[in-house]
Amino acid sequence: DAGVIQSPRHEVTEMGQEVTLRCKPISGHDYLFWYRQTMMRGLELLIYFNNNVPIDDSGMPEDRFSAKMPNASFSTLKIQPSEPRDSAVYFCASSERSYYGYTFGSGTRLTVV
Amino acid sequence: GQQVMQIPQYQHVQEGEDFTTYCNSSTTLSNIQWYKQRPGGHPVFLIQLVKSGEVKKQKRLTFQFGEAKKNSSLHITATQTTDVGTYFCAPQTGTASKLTFGTGTRLQVTL
Repeated sequence: DAGVIQSPRHEVTEMGQEVTLRCKPISGHDYLFWYRQTMMRGLELLIYFNNNVPIDDSGMPEDRFSAKMPNASFSTLKIQPSEPRDSAVYFCASSERSYYGYTFGSGTRLTVV
Repeated sequence: GQQVMQIPQYQHVQEGEDFTTYCNSSTTLSNIQWYKQRPGGHPVFLIQLVKSGEVKKQKRLTFQFGEAKKNSSLHITATQTTDVGTYFCAPQTGTASKLTFGTGTRLQVTL
């Protein structure tokens, strides 16, 4: 298996633009998680899905952030409009079952200027 | 809400010295996982502890879960330069499937 695949690896965008991050989880994994990592706030859980259904989005910063999982093999995290404070590394992770270890993707480094 | 303290924040050791990081929770945990993140990389799952007082070993790494299931530790014996990175504990509470990551301990190893 190729693992969790995220794209793009790097994204530089101007403030106010829409940004879409993509994730392909490991086949057969029922859970998908979106995390954000910054020096100041560490690893923060934004949202997670179980069998394509959003379960907990309490970590989503504000209405500018949205996430979808239209099928078991694809998820997106969208920021519209983007702001400089959104600059961070965004990780997608998947897990086979509840209480199993997570497999993380390589992340998307987002810079908003 | 759940608070997870991880100490120390940073440790610099000479190769061959031992290293320990501690994870302390204000609430009783269902289980705890440990991850390692190399500089510029992504978190990689190391192990999961479930039972009170559990001890697990992976080569030079020893993981412990406290009797009260509120704390955990990771001990590395005779560190090597390949151990460099940030070690995170990630507890789960109740029936929630999500992990809350600790603040991490950054380990630097020099020759």
